Amino acid sequence: EAGVAQSPRYKIIEKRQSVAFWCNPISGHATLYWYQQILGQGPKLLIQFQNNGVVDDSQLPKDRFSAERLKGVDSTLKIQPAKLEDSAVYLCASSLERDSPLHFGNGTRLTVT
Amino acid sequence: SQQGEEDPQALSIQEGENATMNCSYKTSINNLQWYRQNSGRGLVHLILIRSNEREKHSGRLRVTLDTSKKSSSLLITASRAADTASYFCATPYSGYSTLTFGKGTMLLVSP
Repeated sequence: EAGVAQSPRYKIIEKRQSVAFWCNPISGHATLYWYQQILGQGPKLLIQFQNNGVVDDSQLPKDRFSAERLKGVDSTLKIQPAKLEDSAVYLCASSLERDSPLHFGNGTRLTVT
Repeated sequence: SQQGEEDPQALSIQEGENATMNCSYKTSINNLQWYRQNSGRGLVHLILIRSNEREKHSGRLRVTLDTSKKSSSLLITASRAADTASYFCATPYSGYSTLTFGKGTMLLVSP
């Protein structure tokens, strides 16, 4: 089966600019996650979707981050405006259902200068 | 919030040796999962152990779970250079499903 696809692979922007990341999960996976991974740390959940509804966005900085999952398939994560501390790898993952193992994409490495 | 903590933070061994990593967590769980992350890549699921299981095997991997001590261990036997990666334990919080990850153990296996 095709894995989780993410783009772009790398992005460099200046602070206060906007950026968007795209994720296409494994076909048929109902649950989609966005994680932020800062260098040297484990992934931190930003938002979890079940089909196209939000299950958990308690750790999403809603003043600058937004995410949507249209038609319950692919998803975009946006940061507007970016801050220096947003420099991280943004990982998308999907699972067949809640409580199933997660399948991760290779992530987007964001550098904010 | 972080639920699991891996120990040690870094581990360096020779090929052929066994590697053991530990994970401690804070609240009751219904399952615990281990993931591997190679440099510059996403995480790969290794094994899931449920709260009613004490031990699980997958190839060269052996995972144990002690719910009374809220701890788990991952043993990699006969390590290879290709096992060099970071290893994370992940546990659900808020009852189920939303996984939280520890900071990981960085394993270096030298030829």
